[in-house]
Amino acid sequence: EAGVVQSPRYKIIEKKQPVAFWCNPISGHNTLYWYLQNLGQGPELLIRYENEEAVDDSQLPKDRFSAERLKGVDSTLKIQPAELGDSAVYLCASSSFNFDQPQHFGDGTRLSIL
Amino acid sequence: DAKTTQPNSMESNEEEPVHLPCNHSTISGTDYIHWYRQLPSQGPEYVIHGLTSNVNNRMASLAIAEDRKSSTLILHRATLRDAAVYYCTHNTGNQFYFGTGTSLTVIP
Repeated sequence: EAGVVQSPRYKIIEKKQPVAFWCNPISGHNTLYWYLQNLGQGPELLIRYENEEAVDDSQLPKDRFSAERLKGVDSTLKIQPAELGDSAVYLCASSSFNFDQPQHFGDGTRLSIL
Repeated sequence: DAKTTQPNSMESNEEEPVHLPCNHSTISGTDYIHWYRQLPSQGPEYVIHGLTSNVNNRMASLAIAEDRKSSTLILHRATLRDAAVYYCTHNTGNQFYFGTGTSLTVIP
């Protein structure tokens, strides 16, 4: 089966500019996660979707970050405006609904803010 | 927050077994234990998971303590391709929390 696809793989922008990341999960996976990963750290959850519904966005900085998952398939994560501290890898993962099922991760988008 | 603790780094000789430990101090009775590993410039890769019983798959074995407060990932014969950062995690409150992981070095 095809894996989780993320684009772009790399993005370099100047601070205060907007940026968007796209994720296509594995077909049939109801649950979609966005994580942020800083260098030398484990992934940190930003938002979790069950189908179209954002069921946990408590860690999402809502003043500048937004996300959507239209039709319960693809998802987009946006930052506007970007700050220097947002430089990180943004990972998308998907899984079946039940928590006894593993998450499958994409290779992430590495964001660099100048 | 669900918390796991792991050693920062470990070393193993090639073709020898490796036991990677993890403490799950906040685990509850219905939380599954998952292990992932991550190579540079790649997303984490699923390795194995379990609830109470020990588990085996083609990649590794997972040993879970009777009180479930600790688990051990076992690589039976380490290869150079097993060099990675290994994360243990468990789901609490419908979330998985990843720690800083264990960086495994495999020595030829």
